Amino acid sequence: TQLLEQSPQFLSIQEGENLTVYCNSSSVFSSLQWYRQEPGEGPVLLVTVVTGGEVKKLKRLTFQFGDARKDSSLHITAAQPGDTGLYLCAGNFGNEKLTFGTGTRLTIIP
Amino acid sequence: SQTIHQWPATLVQPVGSPLSLECTVEGTSNPNLYWYRQAAGRGLQLLFYSVGIGQISSEVPQNLSASRPQDRQFILSSKKLLLSDSGFYLCAWSRGRNTEAFFGQGTRLTVV
Repeated sequence: TQLLEQSPQFLSIQEGENLTVYCNSSSVFSSLQWYRQEPGEGPVLLVTVVTGGEVKKLKRLTFQFGDARKDSSLHITAAQPGDTGLYLCAGNFGNEKLTFGTGTRLTIIP
Repeated sequence: SQTIHQWPATLVQPVGSPLSLECTVEGTSNPNLYWYRQAAGRGLQLLFYSVGIGQISSEVPQNLSASRPQDRQFILSSKKLLLSDSGFYLCAWSRGRNTEAFFGQGTRLTVV
């Protein structure tokens, strides 16, 4: 059984600060996705990474996939209140099953 | 365009009663379908997934079952609900492995 651990579980920072959240797996991902979820709604995809060492940028968000494809990070620069939400990583491990991580609850304080 | 419908949005059921949650997808064929459960503010626990009609993979031994009677219909059921079945249930679809998952709006189930 693949486990996806995310850290930290909770993060509360001031607007304008930078932050990084992490996703670690016990197995090698065939692909990894990052989602953001608002309360009472389903998660929405932010990015998919496939290649070890890959870096993708989405405005102020930078996603990095580990060289060994067992970990990933999400870095947010100059956080804004609109970044508040639950961030989830999810991975495929060579099959159709999509496994989600434990989540990081991010709160940006104005 | 593709859409996913999940209902009901909220449900309050007594312990021991049956459950049926339905999810349908429009605008695509042969999707992968998923049922997840989410505790408050936490990650998603995969309950069942299906790659085709009548094909169900169960991830967690529990009081629930799933069925896929039609290509774009996925049903989550229980014969007798437990208090521990309370939670936020999400249905999702994808085109296959390594592709984006699209989620329904979720069902908030409270077992009393």
